Amino acid sequence: DAGITQSPRHKVTETGTPVTLRCHQTENHRYMYWYRQDPGHGLRLIHYSYGVKDTDKGEVSDGYSVSRSKTEDFLLTLESATSSQTSVYFCAISDGTVTSTDTQYFGPGTRLTVL
Amino acid sequence: AQSVTQLDSHVSVSEGTPVLLRCNYSSSYSPSLFWYVQHPNKGLQLLLKYTSAATLVKGINGFEAEFNKSQTSFHLRKPSVHISDTAEYFCAVSPGGSQGNLIFGKGTKLSVKP
Repeated sequence: DAGITQSPRHKVTETGTPVTLRCHQTENHRYMYWYRQDPGHGLRLIHYSYGVKDTDKGEVSDGYSVSRSKTEDFLLTLESATSSQTSVYFCAISDGTVTSTDTQYFGPGTRLTVL
Repeated sequence: AQSVTQLDSHVSVSEGTPVLLRCNYSSSYSPSLFWYVQHPNKGLQLLLKYTSAATLVKGINGFEAEFNKSQTSFHLRKPSVHISDTAEYFCAVSPGGSQGNLIFGKGTKLSVKP
């Protein structure tokens, strides 16, 4: 398995509170991604990073921000959590230059519940 | 725009029988295509990928998929399934370009009965 860890693995929080999810990799891969998984929707890209301090938005970025100050860490922040952000969040990494042949490797996921 | 359609949301088969999980895609580029498997409460594991080499791609655990350009399909199959194949399967396409993210289908839940 690729060396990807996510923390926390489970979190329950209340509407309006800030939440930060962490993805940590030991593979020294350049590219990192945050997806959310919801029943009937598959996985949808939130944000991605193509290097330290280089990030961009994905399909469902509203309400989320990210930061990458080190190659190995990619943080996802919900500034003010809402119930619609209840989901399972997956981090992924890919190696080398980004081409259409790059394979993404996924972390174990974080289950977030917003009450 | 790229998209992926998985034609069956649920498939149920008996152990030892063959299974076909269907995936159609649309892509403006020569696509790279992937199948991932997700066991309950686990992350996604890569089964196989197509990257414009041979049209028949062999993956792990006896799975294989065939790329069909004319039908824009990338169906996954296994000749004889096992109970442990019970999981959700996701087809994905890479749109290429500078973004590098994957576009996923909505998943097919495979149940293998004893």
